[in-house]
Amino acid sequence: GESVGLHLPTLSVQEGDNSIINCAYSNSASDYFIWYKQESGKGPQFIIDIRSNMDKRQGQRVTVLLNKTVKHLSLQIAATQPGDSAVYFCGFSGGYNKLIFGAGTRLAVHP
Amino acid sequence: EAQVTQNPRYLITVTGKKLTVTCSQNMNHEYMSWYRQDPGLGLRQIYYSMNVEVTDKGDVPEGYKVSRKEKRNFPLILESPSPNQTSLYFCASTRGGLAGGMSNNEQFFGPGTRLTVL
Repeated sequence: GESVGLHLPTLSVQEGDNSIINCAYSNSASDYFIWYKQESGKGPQFIIDIRSNMDKRQGQRVTVLLNKTVKHLSLQIAATQPGDSAVYFCGFSGGYNKLIFGAGTRLAVHP
Repeated sequence: EAQVTQNPRYLITVTGKKLTVTCSQNMNHEYMSWYRQDPGLGLRQIYYSMNVEVTDKGDVPEGYKVSRKEKRNFPLILESPSPNQTSLYFCASTRGGLAGGMSNNEQFFGPGTRLTVL
């Protein structure tokens, strides 16, 4: 069935380093992918999205890469800051107006 | 301030006692959705609504009802709550439909409602 997997449940990085959070998906028909950030006690917050006709999209300090050949999605955060510490969710469209999310990866930023 | 609000934020109830979690958005968004979040399972969609009087099931609709009588409000109703509905619930809204050809389908999430059913 459809699924979104995460390679690492927890990622620890040093402040100032670049972070890469990975996500694997199984539905090759999906045409929309998204990343959310969730801080403790808060609702998810949109970071960036990408459609399947693109392989890269950049935002402010973040880049999403999509590799449709191996069904892999990644989120790169440049110069990681303590405020980036959160759980990050990837998701993909699983049908009309449906989003399927992974369980999340916790990013811990150490000074 | 553009936002999605939910009430209550925390609720402890007993099995079988009907409850409603309210959701309201002030962005004039057409699309609204309810999710539940459980450890290890991430966010799972319960119901969604494309517009007033238009609702449809998500992935885990059993035991829930919704209504969309006004554009800004999308309440979640548990007619007879059970312990397996203990969870963290999020309401979300977006301007258009998800993955509908838009390059930015940002969903705005509410702060969450933590529900415990004893």
